[in-house]
Amino acid sequence: DTGVSQDPRHKITKRGQNVTFRCDPISEHNRLYWYRQTLGQGPEFLTYFQNEAQLEKSRLLSDRFSAERPKGSFSTLEIQRTEQGDSAMYLCASTRGGAVYEQYFGPGTRLTVT
Amino acid sequence: GIQVEQSPPDLILQEGANSTLRCNFSDSVNNLQWFHQNPWGQLINLFYIPSGTKQNGRLSATTVATERYSLLYISSSQTTDSGVYFCAGREDTGTASKLTFGTGTRLQVTL
Repeated sequence: DTGVSQDPRHKITKRGQNVTFRCDPISEHNRLYWYRQTLGQGPEFLTYFQNEAQLEKSRLLSDRFSAERPKGSFSTLEIQRTEQGDSAMYLCASTRGGAVYEQYFGPGTRLTVT
Repeated sequence: GIQVEQSPPDLILQEGANSTLRCNFSDSVNNLQWFHQNPWGQLINLFYIPSGTKQNGRLSATTVATERYSLLYISSSQTTDSGVYFCAGREDTGTASKLTFGTGTRLQVTL
């Protein structure tokens, strides 16, 4: 298996701009998660997909954030009108599903909003 | 919500020393995982250990679910072991939902 991949690895943007991140899960993993990690903290859950259905969203996911997984494979996370507080590492994880819950993480996208 | 707590928050070891990292978690947490986050931010899976004991080289982990704790043992530490160690658990709601992470143990191994 190739691992979870994310693109881009780094993104610097100016406040107010929109950004989009992509996550490609491990093939045949039907569950995909997005997390956000700020400096000195553990990752915090943002949202979860089973196949193409978005089944859970955190209160952290404000209305400026949207996530999609249109064909149940890759996923995108878009942040509109970025704010400096959005600066963080955005992590994607996937798991096979069924009774298997072990999550595997991608390398992350580090966002800096100036 | 569920609680996951790790100790110690920071640990400095000399190369070759052994260490034990602890993770306490609240009721209804299961499917515990241990991760090592390297300096580039990548979370590397160490153990998926809902209960029992597992070993992988110099690392081993034990989870006692009935007492709601897990331990990660690192033996003969090396400088490459440096980084942040996280434990994370899934809430036992019957659905495949999110992991809740502890705040991590930052380990520095010196020569």
